[in-house]
Amino acid sequence: AQTVTQSQPEMSVQEAETVTLSCTYDTSESNYYLFWYKQPPSRQMILVIRQEAYKQQNATENRFSVNFQKAAKSFSLKISDSQLGDTAMYFCAFMNRFNAGNMLTFGGGTRLMVKP
Amino acid sequence: EAQVTQNPRYLITVTGKKLTVTCSQNMNHEYMSWYRQDPGLGLRQIYYSMNVEVTDKGDVPEGYKVSRKEKRNFPLILESPSPNQTSLYFCASSPKPPYEQYFGPGTRLTVT
Repeated sequence: AQTVTQSQPEMSVQEAETVTLSCTYDTSESNYYLFWYKQPPSRQMILVIRQEAYKQQNATENRFSVNFQKAAKSFSLKISDSQLGDTAMYFCAFMNRFNAGNMLTFGGGTRLMVKP
Repeated sequence: EAQVTQNPRYLITVTGKKLTVTCSQNMNHEYMSWYRQDPGLGLRQIYYSMNVEVTDKGDVPEGYKVSRKEKRNFPLILESPSPNQTSLYFCASSPKPPYEQYFGPGTRLTVT
């Protein structure tokens, strides 16, 4: 079974600054995917970024980028030029490529507050 | 607009009173899932369905039932709700793995 750990329950950052959210995971699988989801106060789950384990290049989406360290089983999210709208709960998630149920295994979440 | 809808969005009920939370998607996705979200635990999969009439248990299926009679609908049934099922519930759908899962807006359930 896989586990996902987010060691920072809460973080804060000043507007326009950069913040990094940590995520580690444990798996014996070699073919998997990693995700970061954002959950704003509206509770909607929004996909931020996705990384395929077989790709060495770190994924980026505009101001969002990841640092994927496969050997260390680490998958951190960097948010550059933080905006007030980035205030949300952020979840790291793992999916085994061959999981029959397409199941996402989530970490416990990091609450991020962007301060003006 | 491509979306997953859930109803109701909020529900307060009493122990033992059967309830159903509906979920519908308009993207013709094969896969659908139910998750529950609890503080500090993230989201955990309750049940999933790979297609019509094909369902199976996720990580936390106890106390829940599902059915998939039509491709677009995947209701979650609590036949005898208990207070430990107080939670935020999400329905999700996706094409065949490993594509992105699309989440519904969530249903806040309180069982007293």
